[in-house]
Amino acid sequence: EPEVTQTPSHQVTQMGQEVILRCVPISNHLYFYWYRQILGQKVEFLVSFYNNEISEKSEIFDDQFSVERPDGSNFTLKIRSTKLEDSAMYFCASRPPGAGSPLHFGNGTRLTVT
Amino acid sequence: AQSVAQPEDQVNVAEGNPLTVKCTYSVSGNPYLFWYVQYPNRGLQFLLKYITGDNLVKGSYGFEAEFNKSQTSFHLKKPSALVSDSALYFCAVSDQTGANNLFFGTGTRLTVIP
Repeated sequence: EPEVTQTPSHQVTQMGQEVILRCVPISNHLYFYWYRQILGQKVEFLVSFYNNEISEKSEIFDDQFSVERPDGSNFTLKIRSTKLEDSAMYFCASRPPGAGSPLHFGNGTRLTVT
Repeated sequence: AQSVAQPEDQVNVAEGNPLTVKCTYSVSGNPYLFWYVQYPNRGLQFLLKYITGDNLVKGSYGFEAEFNKSQTSFHLKKPSALVSDSALYFCAVSDQTGANNLFFGTGTRLTVIP
C-alpha cells in the first residue's frame, strides 16, 4: 500500500537556524497538509495546500513558516528561524480528491531545537 | 468553528472486555467525523469515518463507532479489547472547506490490561 514518506526522521538544529522538512505524498493525492504534535499531545493543524497554493493556515503558521511543492513529488515545510518552542513532531499528510476522504499521515519528523 | 472534545485522557480496560473511547463534537452543518490511532513513534493511522448514512460505522481492526446527532457524539467502540489495541486514539472533525482540514481532539490513551 502506498505511504506518505517523511525525511529526516529526526532533525536537530540550533535556535535561529533554518530547517526544511521533506515529505513525499502519495502519488495520486491532490491535497497536502502539515500538522505538528508537541510531546505526544494534541495534533495541531498548520497548513493545507492544493493546486500549488495554500488553502488554509492556522495561527501557528506565521511568517516564519512556508510550504512549497518544488516538483511533482515533494512537499516541504520550511521554518526560517527556529525557536525553542518549534520543537515537536511534524507530520505530513495527503489525501485523494473526494469530500470526506481520509488523510494519510507519514511517520513524522522529530524536530529538536537547542 | 468546529471542534471535538475527548473527555478522558486515559482509559483502562481488561483484555477481552468491551471498550469505549468517547468523543463529542461541535460543528455547523453536517459533520465529517474520523477516528485515528497512533502507536509510539508513528504517524496517525486512519480507523474509520462517518460522512453520511448508517449511524454505526465499522472500521479497521474490529473497531466501530456510533454517530449520535442528538448527543453530538461519535464514540469509538470495540466488543473485545486486545493488548495490542493499547495506543493513543484521536477523534477528529473535518471543516467544510474544499481541503477538508482535520481538527483533532486532545487524544485518549487506551491501555488494555492483560
